[in-house]
Amino acid sequence: GENVEQHPSTLSVQEGDSAVIKCTYSDSASNYFPWYKQELGKGPQLIIDIRSNVGEKKDQRIAVTLNKTAKHFSLHITETQPEDSAVYFCAAPWNNDMRFGAGTRLTVKP
Amino acid sequence: DVKVTQSSRYLVKRTGEKVFLECVQDMDHENMFWYRQDPGLGLRLIYFSYDVKMKEKGDIPEGYSVSREKKERFSLILESASTNQTSMYLCASSLGQGVHNEQFFGPGTRLTVL
Repeated sequence: GENVEQHPSTLSVQEGDSAVIKCTYSDSASNYFPWYKQELGKGPQLIIDIRSNVGEKKDQRIAVTLNKTAKHFSLHITETQPEDSAVYFCAAPWNNDMRFGAGTRLTVKP
Repeated sequence: DVKVTQSSRYLVKRTGEKVFLECVQDMDHENMFWYRQDPGLGLRLIYFSYDVKMKEKGDIPEGYSVSREKKERFSLILESASTNQTSMYLCASSLGQGVHNEQFFGPGTRLTVL
């Protein structure tokens, strides 16, 4: 089955620095890769996704890159702010549902 | 906006009790999901449903059952709660068939089994 590995498990950065979270997947047929952000006390919420016909997608300070050959995709957050502090999950499709990574707890220190 | 609500934010039950976790979505979504979230393990799928009265096992269905009698409501049932079922439970819904659809999550229910 699909195996999604996410690194690092925790990440601490200074406000204004960049943060990068990486995920690898095992099913070469996967073609949709979303990223979810979970703030304290809330359920995860989709922040960006990428489909396999593109290599990069940007939305303001966040971007996702995809390398299908290497089977990995990454979330990039630039100019981090304290409100970016949260747990981030990557995911990849498997059969008719999604497989989620274990999550990365990002802390942005003011 | 899609809204997914869960019946309780916090729940404390005793070993052996039957536990019902309720989830309701208001956007006429076909698909509904139940996950449990544990530190270091991410989100693990327990059960999902594509339509009323339909259900499919996820990765960790043991000790759980589900019910979907109405399109908007998906219930998770712990027939006999055990301490290893202490966890955060998240319900989600999505529109239509296939996995290329955003999942909308509820706020979660933190269940403690004593």
